[in-house]
Formats: sequence, structure tokens, C-alpha cells
Amino acid sequence: AQKVTQAQTEISVVEKEDVTLDCVYETRDTTYYLFWYKQPPSGELVFLIRRNSFDEQNEISGRYSWNFQKSTSSFNFTITASQVVDSAVYFCALSLPQGSARQLTFGSGTQLTVLP
Amino acid sequence: DAGITQSPRYKITETGRQVTLMCHQTWSHSYMFWYRQDLGHGLRLIYYSAAADITDKGEVPDGYVVSRSKTENFPLTLESATRSQTSVYFCASSGTAFSYEQYFGPGTRLTVT
Repeated sequence: AQKVTQAQTEISVVEKEDVTLDCVYETRDTTYYLFWYKQPPSGELVFLIRRNSFDEQNEISGRYSWNFQKSTSSFNFTITASQVVDSAVYFCALSLPQGSARQLTFGSGTQLTVLP
Repeated sequence: DAGITQSPRYKITETGRQVTLMCHQTWSHSYMFWYRQDLGHGLRLIYYSAAADITDKGEVPDGYVVSRSKTENFPLTLESATRSQTSVYFCASSGTAFSYEQYFGPGTRLTVT
């Protein structure tokens, strides 16, 4: 069975600081997909990124960057120059493309608070 | 409106009552999912559907029933609501064969008294 661990329950930073959210996953499958979702205080779940297991290139999107390392089974998320609007719960998730499942296994989430 | 919608957004019901949560998507996505989100448990899959008339259980299906007669709709029914089913319910959909990300509805906050 697959598992996603987000060891950081809560992180608090001051605006403009960089912050990294950790995600460690477990799966025996060689093909899988990793995701990050953001849940702001308003409650909706917003898709941020998908990464395929066969593509270890890191990705940058504005102030967001993702570091995928298969050797350590990690898919970490960094926010550069954090802003108050980044305050949210961030979830890492894993999906296996087997049969008709496509189920997402979520980590427990990291509550990020960015202080002004 | 385009996207994925849920109704009602808030619902209070009594123990033992039947309640149905609606989910509608306009993308013609094949896959649809129901999750519940609870403090201490994160997001857990209740049921999912790979296509119309194809549904399967997730991690926590007991006490819930789903149907999918049309691609765009995926209602979730609590046959006899219990207080333990007080939660926030999210519907999600996922599209093409190579697109595994799921897009979530705004959620329904259900309180069972």
C-alpha cells in the first residue's frame, strides 16, 4: 500500500522568508504520480502541480518550486519570498495508474502561516 | 457555470435521516470521486467512479451510497445519517487518460445532530 508523510504539521514564517514543505512517499510501484494541493482558509482544494515518476526534473513556477528526488522518495515544495496570501494548508498526494482506481492518497497536510 | 459544483454547500440534518449531496461537473471528465475531510484524518476516499454506471468503494464507504447514471453527476447519499458522518465532503473529477490530477468542488459542510 502507498503512503504519504508530511512530517511538518505546522510551519510559521515571516513574510519574505523562504519556506520548504517536506513530503516523503512510499510505494512499490515504479510508475506513479505526485501532486501538491493548496487549501486556503476559504476551504477549497486547489491543484498546484503534478509530477510523473519518470520525470525527475525540478519545476519552478513563479515563487513556487518543486524538488523531486526518487533516491530519497521525496517531493518537496519551496515557496520563495513568502507572502501572507500563501497561508494555507498544503497537501502532498500520490496516485497510482492501475486499473480504474486513480485514487489519491493524501498526506496529513502542513499548515503554513505567513506572518506580516 | 463551468467546472465542478456541489450542493448544498451547508447542510444540517438529524440522526437517522437520509441526505443526498450533489456533485456536478461540466468538463465531461470520466473519473469522479467523493472524499471526506476530518480533523486528524485528513482526506479520505469514500467512493469513486471511472465512468457512468461504474462505481467502486474507497477507504471509508460504510453508510454511504453512490450512483452515476450520467457522466456529469455523482450524488452521494447517506442512507441513515449518524453523528460520525459530520464532516466536510469534497467531490472531485479527473479527466483524460494521461491527466491524473483531480479537480475539487468547493465542498459541502454537513452537520448531523
